[in-house]
Amino acid sequence: GENVEQHPSTLSVQEGDSAVIKCTYSDSASNYFPWYKQELGKRPQLIIDIRSNVGEKKDQRIAVTLNKTAKHFSLHITETQPEDSAVYFCAASGAAGNKLTFGGGTRVLVKP
Amino acid sequence: DGGITQSPKYLFRKEGQNVTLSCEQNLNHDAMYWYRQDPGQGLRLIYYSQIVNDFQKGDIAEGYSVSREKKESFPLTVTSAQKNPTAFYLCASMRQGAKVSEAFFGQGTRLTVV
Repeated sequence: GENVEQHPSTLSVQEGDSAVIKCTYSDSASNYFPWYKQELGKRPQLIIDIRSNVGEKKDQRIAVTLNKTAKHFSLHITETQPEDSAVYFCAASGAAGNKLTFGGGTRVLVKP
Repeated sequence: DGGITQSPKYLFRKEGQNVTLSCEQNLNHDAMYWYRQDPGQGLRLIYYSQIVNDFQKGDIAEGYSVSREKKESFPLTVTSAQKNPTAFYLCASMRQGAKVSEAFFGQGTRLTVV
């Protein structure tokens, strides 16, 4: 089955700097790659997603890149702000009946 | 509130008891999922269902059971066979197929064994 690995597990950045989180997946049939943000005690919420027919997608300060050949995708947050502090999860889906598999999460701390 | 509702928000279970967590969605999604989240950990898949009257085991199904009698509902029972059930449980639903889109999550149920 699908296995998604996410790195780093924790990330501390200075406000205004960039943050990058990387994920790899194992099943080449996966075709949908969402990123979720989870604030403390709350439900995960989608921040951006990408499909396998696209290499890059941007939404304001957030971007995601996908390398299908290498089976990895990354989240880039530019000009980080304190409200970006949260846990971020990557996921992969599309293979084997849309089983949605998550990475282990990255705890991001933006220091003022 | 996102169209997917979990209840209760907090649940306490005594040793040896079965408890059932409710998950209802009005998004007309075919696929529904149950995840377990331990403190500081990721989301581990317990069970998922792509269609009514059908479901598949996830990565940590032992000690749990589910049913999918209606499209809108996907209850999770934590049985006494689950030796360490204290965790945060999240239900999600998703459109599937060629137009797969984001998964929407419920607000979660925090289960504590007392």
